[in-house]
Amino acid sequence: DGGITQSPKYLFRKEGQNVTLSCEQNLNHDAMYWYRQDPGQGLRLIYYSQIVNDFQKGDIAEGYSVSREKKESFPLTVTSAQKNPTAFYLCASRTTTGGVVEQFFGPGTRLTVL
Amino acid sequence: AQKVTQAQTEISVVEKEDVTLDCVYETRDTTYYLFWYKQPPSGELVFLIRRNSFDEQNEISGRYSWNFQKSTSSFNFTITASQVVDSAVYFCALSDLTYGNKLVFGAGTILRVKS
Repeated sequence: DGGITQSPKYLFRKEGQNVTLSCEQNLNHDAMYWYRQDPGQGLRLIYYSQIVNDFQKGDIAEGYSVSREKKESFPLTVTSAQKNPTAFYLCASRTTTGGVVEQFFGPGTRLTVL
Repeated sequence: AQKVTQAQTEISVVEKEDVTLDCVYETRDTTYYLFWYKQPPSGELVFLIRRNSFDEQNEISGRYSWNFQKSTSSFNFTITASQVVDSAVYFCALSDLTYGNKLVFGAGTILRVKS
């Protein structure tokens, strides 16, 4: 089945550690996105990528890093520089052809810093 | 700057009641897109509808309907005869046509439908 997978579903991290969240899609979508969701708030954009080997900062990129070496993969690293990393992280993708603008989301990863 | 406001933080209704979720947006663009997403307890966002700024026709899909009014910058969502399975967080979002087609989300409305 085509879709977006995120792993792990739950992730626990000690303060001061870097951690990488996985996002894979087999929809052949060009664009991919990372969002952060905090309780009672909407989603905020961390990073996005329109094509392989290119990515742009979103509204809250500080303390995060990404790579886009393959079309189907867009991993997010939460570094120790991120002051408050506990949140729900959602990955999304979108085709850039046919006038389609809606994004489709993965199941999310819930990160907790201990 | 673009902004989406969902003034209703939480709504509780009894099954079979109709419920309307409000969404007000701000943008300087003349061309933009509006969306509604549903987030059930599992956490994944489910796409419900897209509307572009040139199409003000209302849309109905089963028990769901959407009312887009550019004059008031609103894109409201109505669920008719609500069901327990409609319980979720609903997000309204706005996208421009600049590089990346980034989405700006409202804070969401929690809908609780009680049996």
